[in-house]
Amino acid sequence: GAGVSQSPSNKVTEKGKDVELRCDPISGHTALYWYRQSLGQGLEFLIYFQGNSAPDKSGLPSDRFSAERTGGSVSTLTIQRTQQEDSAVYLCASSLPSSGSPDTQYFGPGTRLTVL
Amino acid sequence: RKEVEQDPGPFNVPEGATVAFNCTYSNSASQSFFWYRQDCRKEPKLLMSVYSSGNEDGRFTAQLNRASQYISLLIRDSKLSDSATYLCVVAVTNAGKSTFGDGTTLTVKP
Repeated sequence: GAGVSQSPSNKVTEKGKDVELRCDPISGHTALYWYRQSLGQGLEFLIYFQGNSAPDKSGLPSDRFSAERTGGSVSTLTIQRTQQEDSAVYLCASSLPSSGSPDTQYFGPGTRLTVL
Repeated sequence: RKEVEQDPGPFNVPEGATVAFNCTYSNSASQSFFWYRQDCRKEPKLLMSVYSSGNEDGRFTAQLNRASQYISLLIRDSKLSDSATYLCVVAVTNAGKSTFGDGTTLTVKP
């Protein structure tokens, strides 16, 4: 079966422009996560969806960042008025949580964002 | 202090060596623990979950010490293909925010 897919794989944009990153989770996975990873750094949690709702948006770094998920499937992460410090790899993961079992997240290949 | 801390390494070991990584976490309410592996410029992939009783998968053994709030990963008989960054992951609930450590880099040399 297909894994998590993300598009675009690479995005180069100019400072001040808006960008949209897309994530297609594994079919049937109810949970979806966005992270970002700067070069040589660990993963920074951004937002978590359960179905279409986002019970935890605590990681979004500023109000320029927003995310939505529709139909319990595809999610888009939007960054408005991009800044150079937004340059990073944006990773999406999905999972199918079950009570009493650790929640294994499956990651997509990421979108490498470069803000010039 | 970071919520999840790992020794960044790098750990450089010869093939066949045994190597151990530790990870400490600050939130005593944490419930789920994992080790992920990340190859250079690739996405993280689950290596193993960590259970209270400890668990083993081939050459890999994971341990959890709740009292001291650390988890460990032991790799025996290291292979060249084990070269990667190993990420410690901790979550408070079964689903929701997971906190990743910055990773420990392992290089296995011939």
